[in-house]
Amino acid sequence: AQSVSQHNHHVILSEAASLELGCNYSYGGTVNLFWYVQYPGQHLQLLLKYFSGDPLVKGIKGFEAEFIKSKFSFNLRKPSVQWSDTAEYFCAVNSGAGSYQLTFGKGTKLSVIP
Amino acid sequence: SQTIHQWPATLVQPVGSPLSLECTVEGTSNPNLYWYRQAAGRGLQLLFYSVGIGQISSEVPQNLSASRPQDRQFILSSKKLLLSDSGFYLCAWSRSADTQYFGPGTRLTVL
Repeated sequence: AQSVSQHNHHVILSEAASLELGCNYSYGGTVNLFWYVQYPGQHLQLLLKYFSGDPLVKGIKGFEAEFIKSKFSFNLRKPSVQWSDTAEYFCAVNSGAGSYQLTFGKGTKLSVIP
Repeated sequence: SQTIHQWPATLVQPVGSPLSLECTVEGTSNPNLYWYRQAAGRGLQLLFYSVGIGQISSEVPQNLSASRPQDRQFILSSKKLLLSDSGFYLCAWSRSADTQYFGPGTRLTVL
């Protein structure tokens, strides 16, 4: 069975600091990869996704993620965070072979201090 | 555009009482539908998914059941709630096995 690890439970940054949230998955085959974000009091929203092609994908609000197949990783990055980026971030994986099962990591809570 | 609704937004129920949570999707036809439970610090756990009316797949054996009486309606039920059923329940939809889009969720507290 596939699993997803997000190593940081809670990250605290000052505004303008750079962000990198780790995500590693365990599955040997083709995968689709996602980052979702949940702002306080709001729906879970798609931030970005990778299905195939360029392993560096860009999402909304200046976020990007890089798929490194050899490391089974899909880390999320942003060069300069803002207070409005305070949220919980979830990495998710499905096996990509028409699989309906999306496996989520436990989430990383990001707090940005003004 | 597509929208997904869930109700109620919050619910407080006594142990042993029945449960019915509803999810509806607008703006698309024949969506795949999903029920997740989100527990603090534990991420999202897929409970059920459905690829069509009357077709339900269960991912985790438990006290809950799901039904899909109409194309864009997905219901999560229980005959007798347990304390451990407390949590945040999310409904999602997708086209085939593509990106899933989530509803606002229902916060269930079982006392």
